[in-house]
Amino acid sequence: ETGVTQSPTHLIKTRGQQVTLRCSSQSGHNTVSWYQQALGQGPQFIFQYYREEENGRGNFPPRFSGLQFPNYSSELNVNALELDDSALYLCASSSLRTGGSGGDEQFFGPGTRLTVL
Amino acid sequence: RKEVEQDPGPFNVPEGATVAFNCTYSNSASQSFFWYRQDCRKEPKLLMSVYSSGNEDGRFTAQLNRASQYISLLIRDSKLSDSATYLCVVEAGGGNKLTFGTGTQLKVEL
Repeated sequence: ETGVTQSPTHLIKTRGQQVTLRCSSQSGHNTVSWYQQALGQGPQFIFQYYREEENGRGNFPPRFSGLQFPNYSSELNVNALELDDSALYLCASSSLRTGGSGGDEQFFGPGTRLTVL
Repeated sequence: RKEVEQDPGPFNVPEGATVAFNCTYSNSASQSFFWYRQDCRKEPKLLMSVYSSGNEDGRFTAQLNRASQYISLLIRDSKLSDSATYLCVVEAGGGNKLTFGTGTQLKVEL
């Protein structure tokens, strides 16, 4: 077990709705990265939060947003859900050095499987 | 062109076989390289990091060729438990922002 938890495990939403996914990072880690994994594809980087600030973003529209809390847990919010948002959403916990670059191994949570109907 | 390209497979091999996976990456600024393993409907887990000098961990050997932007993974004496998807992963620019390939599916059969 990595110590990284995500909730909920499964979620079904309809187009146009909004969703919030949650991630608790491993103890001692200051960084959470979020990834989207569509069926048959590798995970794609959405964004990363380091010490409560966004520290890089992938090629995802602004309706994907996030937060990191003082205890380093994190939320991913997706507004105006589309059918193509159906995927496994993974968070990964790690510890970056001061300045937000360079770091140790990332540990992935079990993921939240989102289905948009 | 995808940033990280892998043959999706599946590779169906008998137990005890040696199997090799290859991967190419497009960003010459990539700094760190990894192989992850992902079991069906589970999260990816780090299998091994990849270095230019090559590295070995038991039955697994990984190699990096920076000039050709090519990464390989060799699995010797395949076990049934090796059946999984193997993801080639690169990281550029520091900060643990990973770029994954599509993954190569391995099925080891009796």
